Amino acid sequence: DIQMTQSPSTLSASVGDRVTITCRASQSISWWLAWYQQKPGKAPKLLIYKASSLQSGVPSRFSGSGSGTEFSLTISSLQPDDFATYYCQQYNSYLWTFGQGTKVEIK
Amino acid sequence: DVQLVESGGGLVQPGRSLRLSCAASGFSFDDHAMHWVRQGPGRGLEWVSGISWNSGTIGYADSVKGRFTISRDNAKNSLYLQMNSLRAEDTAFYYCAKDGDGPSWGQGTLVTVSS
Repeated sequence: DIQMTQSPSTLSASVGDRVTITCRASQSISWWLAWYQQKPGKAPKLLIYKASSLQSGVPSRFSGSGSGTEFSLTISSLQPDDFATYYCQQYNSYLWTFGQGTKVEIK
Repeated sequence: DVQLVESGGGLVQPGRSLRLSCAASGFSFDDHAMHWVRQGPGRGLEWVSGISWNSGTIGYADSVKGRFTISRDNAKNSLYLQMNSLRAEDTAFYYCAKDGDGPSWGQGTLVTVSS
């Protein structure tokens, strides 16, 4: 199975900060990588698919990059609505796997 | 728009069974593989099972293999998860998800396994 290692597990930041979350795959997944945002009690919301494609309706301050085994999600200017938990997911393999999650907290 | 609506969750005793359903609309259901993903209380996301468009390829997480069975009915645009021999650790929100360039998810249904 493909393992996804996401870091950091927790990130403390202020409104307006630029933040980056990284995700590493245990083997190449090409660009089959998605990023989700999840708030308490809600289903995960797709932000980025195919490593760098912005899902319709998602603000442009969110961006994704990478291919192969190294990926990142960047929020260019953190907004109050962005404090949440973020997950990466590989879907190159039929057996989907997820990163452990990154909780973005208010500093 | 893609819509996935899960149902069938509830409170069940350990060792009993439950069947989840997912009604799909807004896309060509029989063109896509489908998956179940779960999230236990305070935990991360865990892939449970997946099925190809024609049911020819099926996979399970080790944690549910031999107890859960995924199936689909393309004529009814529906996905199912038969869960047998349920354990307390199966307590979670269960999400139905559509494969594709950008995965789509339902809102989930809660399964609570407790005596």
